[in-house]
Amino acid sequence: SQQGEEDPQALSIQEGENATMNCSYKTSINNLQWYRQNSGRGLVHLILIRSNEREKHSGRLRVTLDTSKKSSSLLITASRAADTASYFCATVDRGSTLGRLYFGRGTQLTVWP
Amino acid sequence: NAGVTQTPKFQVLKTGQSMTLQCAQDMNHEYMSWYRQDPGMGLRLIHYSVGAGITDQGEVPNGYNVSRSTTEDFPLRLLSAAPSQTSVYFCASTPAGLTSPLHFGNGTRLTVT
Repeated sequence: SQQGEEDPQALSIQEGENATMNCSYKTSINNLQWYRQNSGRGLVHLILIRSNEREKHSGRLRVTLDTSKKSSSLLITASRAADTASYFCATVDRGSTLGRLYFGRGTQLTVWP
Repeated sequence: NAGVTQTPKFQVLKTGQSMTLQCAQDMNHEYMSWYRQDPGMGLRLIHYSVGAGITDQGEVPNGYNVSRSTTEDFPLRLLSAAPSQTSVYFCASTPAGLTSPLHFGNGTRLTVT
């Protein structure tokens, strides 16, 4: 069964605005990962955050993790049209790092020029 | 450095036919996996392997077989294709388990008529 659930399912913004996507999950995790998928392509890794971390940054991306609420958020600052893609969160259960990565259904982000 | 290579890119099968989806990686990654992606469902794990000679089932293994005779290759076999297997299939790998991010191929779009 799927673990992570992204919210919203779709997000439409103008260039220059910030985009925030949320992910909720159900169990204790080892880490949580965010991926981007451009139309017709494979997934590309964005950020991995471990259960003992609260925030990570990579360029215009900021990911937070709240293990007490079992939730994470991905913030893209100063969005560009090229950020248009689907964004997925995925979780690895604690004690299962050789097992399964559970993906959510994704958030479709559209950034208008 | 090619990364993860999937072939073919597109395939159309008739119900009952068999075929093998190929996946190869040149990064010496021990962990490899197969996912299917259906509209509105996110990615679901079919099978995975933590090293040559070792495979295990994911969430949706029925109708699919895998083997891992070398570190580089992880083929996915459909023994008797069914319309329910119409999907986009992604192969992914990571060096040594899920504490590192996955590297994805660009996918195989399979249609079963």
